[in-house]
Amino acid sequence: ETGVTQTPRHLVMGMTNKKSLKCEQHLGHNAMYWYKQSAKKPLELMFVYSLEERVENNSVPSRFSPECPNSSHLFLHLHTLQPEDSALYLCASSDSGGPYEQYFGPGTRLTVT
Amino acid sequence: GDSVTQMEGPVTLSEEAFLTINCTYTATGYPSLFWYVQYPGEGLQLLLKATKADDKGSNKGFEATYRKETTSFHLEKGSVQVSDSAVYFCALSDGAGRNTGKLIFGQGTTLQVKP
Repeated sequence: ETGVTQTPRHLVMGMTNKKSLKCEQHLGHNAMYWYKQSAKKPLELMFVYSLEERVENNSVPSRFSPECPNSSHLFLHLHTLQPEDSALYLCASSDSGGPYEQYFGPGTRLTVT
Repeated sequence: GDSVTQMEGPVTLSEEAFLTINCTYTATGYPSLFWYVQYPGEGLQLLLKATKADDKGSNKGFEATYRKETTSFHLEKGSVQVSDSAVYFCALSDGAGRNTGKLIFGQGTTLQVKP
């Protein structure tokens, strides 16, 4: 595997389910990010991890819970979601030494029913 | 706070036409600037970047010049192809030395190229 991979690519879940999104980067980076991309809205940065520590949390509802067990893996745990949470969830990684270009995975298309 | 503004789309062109997608920014400090492209069903791919004033980033026939005096980073291509149809995002890094790794994205501009 190369670059940034995300699984699953598509996920349909009910509002009472619990699921997790997985991201893995094979680029030797030490920072990872979760973004939400909704139709007709700008990319929303959700979480930033640098050296496995969460350094930013942009007022994301607690029904989204990130986990970064090591610099190569990032998870987004989902529970009790709402239909408006349906979106494309993108993971990215970068080297924190700058100039901070980020490399993105293909995304997980999430549908909450 | 820092922000990026892109021209509204969709932009519709015929094949071999000249492309310009406007991007202007507001930032403190000295950010780096980026263009990303997103093809249907895929994530974002880095297209080009510039790290300081007057730098020109280029890749795959696309280019953009970091203009500090006009706070702009317009994307251009001399002759577009149908395969260039995608959404293009302008972005800037947090340039004030806070080392957050954060990127700020514009709203994206959809390009449609017709044969």
